[in-house]
Amino acid sequence: AQKVTQAQTEISVVEKEDVTLDCVYETRDTTYYLFWYKQPPSGELVFLIRRNSFDEQNEISGRYSWNFQKSTSSFNFTITASQVVDSAVYFCALSGRMNYGGSQGNLIFGKGTKLSVKP
Amino acid sequence: AAGVIQSPRHLIKEKRETATLKCYPIPRHDTVYWYQQGPGQDPQFLISFYEKMQSDKGSIPDRFSAQQFSDYHSELNMSSLELGDSALYFCASSPQREGPVNEQFFGPGTRLTVL
Repeated sequence: AQKVTQAQTEISVVEKEDVTLDCVYETRDTTYYLFWYKQPPSGELVFLIRRNSFDEQNEISGRYSWNFQKSTSSFNFTITASQVVDSAVYFCALSGRMNYGGSQGNLIFGKGTKLSVKP
Repeated sequence: AAGVIQSPRHLIKEKRETATLKCYPIPRHDTVYWYQQGPGQDPQFLISFYEKMQSDKGSIPDRFSAQQFSDYHSELNMSSLELGDSALYFCASSPQREGPVNEQFFGPGTRLTVL
């Protein structure tokens, strides 16, 4: 079975602090994809990053960075120098099995981590 | 850039009524997914379509049905609505490119309230 666990339900930090959101996944597939999405209070889902199982290089995008470790089945997300606008629910997701016809599989989401950044 | 369009954005229905949600994918995207997100919950996969054929099915109730039309837009039909159907319904679309898995682009969602 495939599963995504985000053990941190809520995190509260003060602006400019660094914060790491944890994500642990389970899958029997040898090829899989991991994603992070941001859901601000307005409700839309904003894509942040996709990582495939063969690429364990860490990635940095501005204040965001991701640490993918297959050995521990983790795909953690760090926000450096957090800002109030980073306040949102963050979801880690795993791609499901491949669909017939070659299209990608559905996403399996974790329960999300609610991040509150206070000024 | 064009995004996924969902209509209506908000919908209020009474119990036992029916509702139809519409999704217009990004142009040239041939795969559509539907997700349901209850209050305080994570999005749950309902159903997907690839080239107008159902490609996968998740936790979609029998009271719900969906289809993808020739212009690739999709509709989610919900009958005999229950209070528990109140949720945010997301549609996502994805292009068929080289490589097995692509980014899913999500629409803004339709917020359904059942009274």
